[in-house]
Amino acid sequence: ETGVTQTPRHLVMGMTNKKSLKCEQHLGHNAMYWYKQSAKKPLELMFVYNFKEQTENNSVPSRFSPECPNSSHLFLHLHTLQPEDSALYLCASSQDAPRELMNTEAFFGQGTRLTVV
Amino acid sequence: AQSVSQHNHHVILSEAASLELGCNYSYGGTVNLFWYVQYPGQHLQLLLKYFSGDPLVKGIKGFEAEFIKSKFSFNLRKPSVQWSDTAEYFCAVLNDYKLSFGAGTTVTVRA
Repeated sequence: ETGVTQTPRHLVMGMTNKKSLKCEQHLGHNAMYWYKQSAKKPLELMFVYNFKEQTENNSVPSRFSPECPNSSHLFLHLHTLQPEDSALYLCASSQDAPRELMNTEAFFGQGTRLTVV
Repeated sequence: AQSVSQHNHHVILSEAASLELGCNYSYGGTVNLFWYVQYPGQHLQLLLKYFSGDPLVKGIKGFEAEFIKSKFSFNLRKPSVQWSDTAEYFCAVLNDYKLSFGAGTTVTVRA
């Protein structure tokens, strides 16, 4: 148990569906991240939030929409996804992000295994 | 483009064998370096990290890594592996506040 909880653990959705992934941490961290983990590819950083403000969007398609209502919760809203979006989506948190991330580490959730059919 | 390279996709070895996983990065300047491990069905866990000081870093479960700045490398080692070390191992580099990962190496230890 890392203190970062993701729900659901598994999700199967059609290309026309709308679904949301949830991430929650009670570690007192100020920064939260979404990563995409595809088979045999490096983890791809998607979004970074620091103190509820989005500070990074790594050219992610608009069918992925993040939301960070407070420092403890992070959502990833999914809409009209493609089969190639099937992957493991990982949430992480750390004490601070940008420039203050030195000398700290990120804690990861167990991920949501997403399958788009 | 900046990148993190892990040389082996899949390593298979027997218990008690020694393990070394290569990691090279292409960032210039100051970097922080990490190795994460992901056991089957579990979350990513930090094995060890390097921020500054002694380039030989010791982590959990008998793992160590050596930072060689001139080679832009941060190789992971364990002198004698156990069956329980079967997992996927990821090298990560923090540079200019972005934490970037290598593609990972799957390690299978046979009893």
